[in-house]
Amino acid sequence: ETGVTQTPRHLVMGMTNKKSLKCEQHLGHNAMYWYKQSAKKPLELMFVYNFKEQTENNSVPSRFSPECPNSSHLFLHLHTLQPEDSALYLCASSQDRTSGGLEQYFGPGTRLTVT
Amino acid sequence: GDSVTQMEGPVTLSEEAFLTINCTYTATGYPSLFWYVQYPGEGLQLLLKATKADDKGSNKGFEATYRKETTSFHLEKGSVQVSDSAVYFCALGRYGQNFVFGPGTRLSVLP
Repeated sequence: ETGVTQTPRHLVMGMTNKKSLKCEQHLGHNAMYWYKQSAKKPLELMFVYNFKEQTENNSVPSRFSPECPNSSHLFLHLHTLQPEDSALYLCASSQDRTSGGLEQYFGPGTRLTVT
Repeated sequence: GDSVTQMEGPVTLSEEAFLTINCTYTATGYPSLFWYVQYPGEGLQLLLKATKADDKGSNKGFEATYRKETTSFHLEKGSVQVSDSAVYFCALGRYGQNFVFGPGTRLSVLP
């Protein structure tokens, strides 16, 4: 596999469920990001990791819990979500936050529907 | 803080028409500028970039020039195809800071 992969591509969950989104990058990057893309809203940055350390949490509710076990993998753990959390969740990576190429490479996203 | 403004569209063109999507930014210094494209059902793909003033980024027939004097990075293509139908995002980036994305411009190309 090349680039940034995300699983699952589609997820339907009830408000009481617990699920996890997975992201893997095969680019040798050290920075990883979670974004939320909702209809008719700008792209929202949720979390940033640089060399496995969380460097940003943009006031995201605690029902979203990120995990970065190594520079290649990023998870987003979900629990007791609300219907307004339904969106496309995008993972991205870049070389790192302070050097190398600035450009971010995105995965295909996970389309989440909360019922 | 930094900001990016772009025309929100939608933009509807006939095949082989000339495309311009305007993007202007507000920033101090010399950030890097990017155009991303998002096809239906997919994530964002890097289309082109420019890292300093007067740089021209180009890819797949698309071009954009980093204009410091007008703080602009307009996206152009001489002859669009139906397959170019997508949402286009202008973005600004700096080391140690988060990307700033524009709201996206939806392009529809009709045969």
